[in-house]
Amino acid sequence: GQNIDQPTEMTATEGAIVQINCTYQTSGFNGLFWYQQHAGEAPTFLSYNVLDGLEEKGRFSSFLSRSKGYSYLLLKELQMKDSASYLCAVSGTTDSWGKLQFGAGTQVVVTP
Amino acid sequence: EAGVTQFPSHSVIEKGQTVTLRCDPISGHDNLYWYRRVMGKEIKFLLHFVKESKQDESGMPNNRFLAERTGGTYSTLKVQPAELEDSGVYFCASSRGTVLPGGYTFGSGTRLTVV
Repeated sequence: GQNIDQPTEMTATEGAIVQINCTYQTSGFNGLFWYQQHAGEAPTFLSYNVLDGLEEKGRFSSFLSRSKGYSYLLLKELQMKDSASYLCAVSGTTDSWGKLQFGAGTQVVVTP
Repeated sequence: EAGVTQFPSHSVIEKGQTVTLRCDPISGHDNLYWYRRVMGKEIKFLLHFVKESKQDESGMPNNRFLAERTGGTYSTLKVQPAELEDSGVYFCASSRGTVLPGGYTFGSGTRLTVV
């Protein structure tokens, strides 16, 4: 079957680093994407990985290992505004990159 | 540029009634997607339009759901008749191309409650 797994919730202190892991089993793979979603708002794009390795964008970095079916999102220098749900999503079809399969999301709680 | 607009933002209807959700994509975005999040579950794909054509509707739950995109601009998603299990948040997203879902912009969603 097809599965995307990520932890339900993580708590971290302001200024710290948090790593959100995502493992996936899909029939195909085009790329893996991370979105941030604040309660009641639209998911917003953070990063994507197509090839193995680390992609860095400011305080956020994402890593991919296709052979292991594994990715992580690293959030550095946590700020209170980073409290949100983080969604891992995989594009696994060759005819439509836009069709994404999502994990259930990881709720990150940043404490003072 | 204006973002993806969805309305209504909330809708409460009785079981058996009809509801129509609307999505206005970003101007010039040929690709439009509908997704749904049922409470406690992950966001799931419903369908994908390229301009006015349905590229992929493999995620549509059943024939009570009808999506249209007249003229390749805005899209509507009609649920008729609504059932309790249709409750959830319906998201629309649009992109200019399909290669980079980084350019894939979501709307804020319509929260549908069927009572």
